[in-house]
Amino acid sequence: EVQLVQSGAEVKKPGESLKISCKGSGYSFISYWIGWVRQMPGKGPEWMGIIYPADSDTRYSPSFQGQVTISADKSISTAYLQWSSLKASDTAMYYCVRRVTGYNYFDYWGQGALVTVSS
Amino acid sequence: ESVLTQSPGTLSLSPGERATLSCRASQTISNRFLAWYQQKPGQAPRLLIYGASNRATAIPDRFSGSGSGTDFTLTISRLEPEDFAVYYCQQYANSLTFGGGTKVEIK
Repeated sequence: EVQLVQSGAEVKKPGESLKISCKGSGYSFISYWIGWVRQMPGKGPEWMGIIYPADSDTRYSPSFQGQVTISADKSISTAYLQWSSLKASDTAMYYCVRRVTGYNYFDYWGQGALVTVSS
Repeated sequence: ESVLTQSPGTLSLSPGERATLSCRASQTISNRFLAWYQQKPGQAPRLLIYGASNRATAIPDRFSGSGSGTDFTLTISRLEPEDFAVYYCQQYANSLTFGGGTKVEIK
């Protein structure tokens, strides 16, 4: 069974750093692109970026370029999303997703990680 | 990048009724590269439809997708209690973007 299991909810202060994770199982982790999607309360999802774990080739949405860093450790089948300095506007649910080979839509989603940034 | 506008914002229907959800794109979506997702409260979105009209694995046949160009439709032929949720369209022809969603609620 394909699973993407994310790390838990986080509460942080503005200016703090954060790294959340997504562990894939039940399939060949290095063979599929893994993406990150933000969903703010009551809004539609927004694609942030995507990484190919086999070689760490990474692409970012222009809206998120420079704002976050996506990485992966193929030895432990885990992808990461990190911030160096959080803002209150980063408060949202973040999902990792598995991209369907050859197409930019997503067949499996992690359970989500709620990030709350508040002073 | 194509902007996707979903309508209506909320659809109030009874179980057994037919639901018709619209997704309109600001630019032509080539190759019918459009997907639909269902999201229930507290859950991640789930893929329903890809390529505008192809059901994803294990999706019941009461869900169907249609359309081309800039106008796409998700139809639920007879609403079951578990179908009341928010539905999002997503285009993947030109980068990728999501619509703002349609909530299907119990009347």
